[in-house]
Amino acid sequence: SQQGEEDPQALSIQEGENATMNCSYKTSINNLQWYRQNSGRGLVHLILIRSNEREKHSGRLRVTLDTSKKSSSLLITASRAADTASYFCATDALSNAGNMLTFGGGTRLMVKP
Amino acid sequence: EPEVTQTPSHQVTQMGQEVILRCVPISNHLYFYWYRQILGQKVEFLVSFYNNEISEKSEIFDDQFSVERPDGSNFTLKIRSTKLEDSAMYFCASKLGPTGYTFGSGTRLTVV
Repeated sequence: SQQGEEDPQALSIQEGENATMNCSYKTSINNLQWYRQNSGRGLVHLILIRSNEREKHSGRLRVTLDTSKKSSSLLITASRAADTASYFCATDALSNAGNMLTFGGGTRLMVKP
Repeated sequence: EPEVTQTPSHQVTQMGQEVILRCVPISNHLYFYWYRQILGQKVEFLVSFYNNEISEKSEIFDDQFSVERPDGSNFTLKIRSTKLEDSAMYFCASKLGPTGYTFGSGTRLTVV
């Protein structure tokens, strides 16, 4: 089984609606990060939430973290067509000397105008 | 805003050839990484580099791979003898401390 699994794998919504993506992980973490990737492009860091935090906001983004359930959610409010992209959660594990990230498979979000 | 720069954006190489992927991390960052993403698959960790040495590497990062920071600004990934299965998008990333990463826009490597 894999660290950092998102669901749903794909999500299609209308502009203006909210989009919620979930992530589950297996090991204890230092922090969990969300990234965005436009098709064929690089990864853009969106938000980092530390293991001792439960909720974090950045603009239209809201991230929650439940370490007891080993899960996180990313909420994008009032979505726009430009939010169309893949979204990945990535975990920085507690036992991790190199601070490397373990990525999930991503959620492909399509926002229809 | 500071960027991580990767060159080239796309490289096509013959199987068995050596390739060097180049990255210029953000200048005051201390931690450097290479990741790869095979088309349609997850982003996978390859190697982390700190204080001029490898701090961690994955099973993917075998003897065919090496990294170097030759001059204090560039950070390179070398694949000695490319295989078809090395075809992927390779991402360089850097960070200063316990923060989010800054990723480059990637190099698409196609091995033919």
